[in-house]
Amino acid sequence: QSVLTQPPSASGTPGQRVTISCSGSSSNIGSNTVNWYQQLPGTAPKLLIYSNNQRPSGVPDRFSGSKSGTSASLAISGLQSEDEADYYCAAWDDSLNGLYVFGTGTKVTVL
Amino acid sequence: QVQLVQSGAEVKKPGASVKVSCKASGYTFTSYDINWVRQATGQGLEWMGWMNPNSGNTGYAQKFQGRVTMTRNTSISTAYMELSSLRSEDTAVYYCAREAGAYASSYYFDYWGQGTLVTVSS
Repeated sequence: QSVLTQPPSASGTPGQRVTISCSGSSSNIGSNTVNWYQQLPGTAPKLLIYSNNQRPSGVPDRFSGSKSGTSASLAISGLQSEDEADYYCAAWDDSLNGLYVFGTGTKVTVL
Repeated sequence: QVQLVQSGAEVKKPGASVKVSCKASGYTFTSYDINWVRQATGQGLEWMGWMNPNSGNTGYAQKFQGRVTMTRNTSISTAYMELSSLRSEDTAVYYCAREAGAYASSYYFDYWGQGTLVTVSS
């Protein structure tokens, strides 16, 4: 079960800015860095943001991440049709024996 | 280029076991941990555990303790995930992923396999 909470959906028109929130706790986001993954329909997840706000090579700078306390957010500026996908936040959780936890996922729709 | 190529789809009966492979190429296999993540149809992502290909050390999510085994064959740069006592709820796409974090609190997956569908049905 997911311990990171995201809104189930978000939407915007092309060119707009969309923000997705991710709420956790002191044992995960509060203690460790946050990552974001993009999953296009029928494909494997792809790393979008790592270590709170770092973009892997090849990821457009329209995508940005931030973290504050036990919450994080992903912003997509200049929304494009190809950004329509599921987005998951994730972080290591220090509880129990340690585990990697994902968010509940947010479906972004480009109107 | 880095690639993780997984084995093909499987259909298993309840109570059986399944073993999924993940062949790595384009990098030194023993330098990065391999993790396994699964996703039931229409559902979110669920982490199962990690394996260090160099030492063979593993760490499993508590939910899968006793049912999952992660191993490797370094001579062919391949990781394996075996799940036993399958039930219908185990029907999902299983992904392997390379863990690339540089320090303890930074843990993330930079490359993923294409996924393997495991269907559990009588």
